[in-house]
Amino acid sequence: EIVLTQSPATLSLSPGDRATLSCRASQSVTNFYVAWYQQKPGQAPRLLIYGASSRATGIPDRFSGSGSGTDFTLTISRLEPEDFAVYYCQQYGQLTTFGQGTKVEFK
Amino acid sequence: QVQLVESGGGVVQPGRSLRLSCAASGMKFSSYGMHWVRQAPGKGLEWVAMTWFDGSNKHYADSVKGRFTISRDNSKNTLYLQMNSLRAEDTAVYYCARDTQRGFIYWYFDRWGPGTLVTVSS
Repeated sequence: EIVLTQSPATLSLSPGDRATLSCRASQSVTNFYVAWYQQKPGQAPRLLIYGASSRATGIPDRFSGSGSGTDFTLTISRLEPEDFAVYYCQQYGQLTTFGQGTKVEFK
Repeated sequence: QVQLVESGGGVVQPGRSLRLSCAASGMKFSSYGMHWVRQAPGKGLEWVAMTWFDGSNKHYADSVKGRFTISRDNSKNTLYLQMNSLRAEDTAVYYCARDTQRGFIYWYFDRWGPGTLVTVSS
């Protein structure tokens, strides 16, 4: 099983800041098969990024993904108030597993 | 628009059974792989099970293998999760989720239901 480790656990930032979230895999992920989701309290997750760097339909371009092999990053270029949430990475190269999440909170 | 709506959650004693349903609308249900994903209170996401378009292939997480059964009825646009021998650690919100592409299985999810809470407690 591929274990995903997200860091940091919590990111304290202000609107307008840049957010950089990390996702590290215990072994190489095939074909850039990494997705990122956003989850707000009481809501289902929402797909943001797939294939490590492709934005899902309707996702603003302030969200971007990058990385390969075992290291992947989600970047939010300028935080909007609605971006404060928990973010999960997922690998789907070998069955599928999720990271434990990074909470982006107001500083 | 696409809607997934889960039902069937509730409080159940350890060792008992429960069946969850997920009603789909606004999509060609029979063309999509479907999954169950769960989230224990205050915890992260855990993939549980998936079924191919026609139910011919199914996969399970090790944590539920032999206890849970995923199935689907394409004539009713409905996905099911039969949960037997429930344990306290199965307590979670259960989401049904759609695999992203018609006719392919990619194992990431572009549509989710709002979830249904299952509490296993005596």
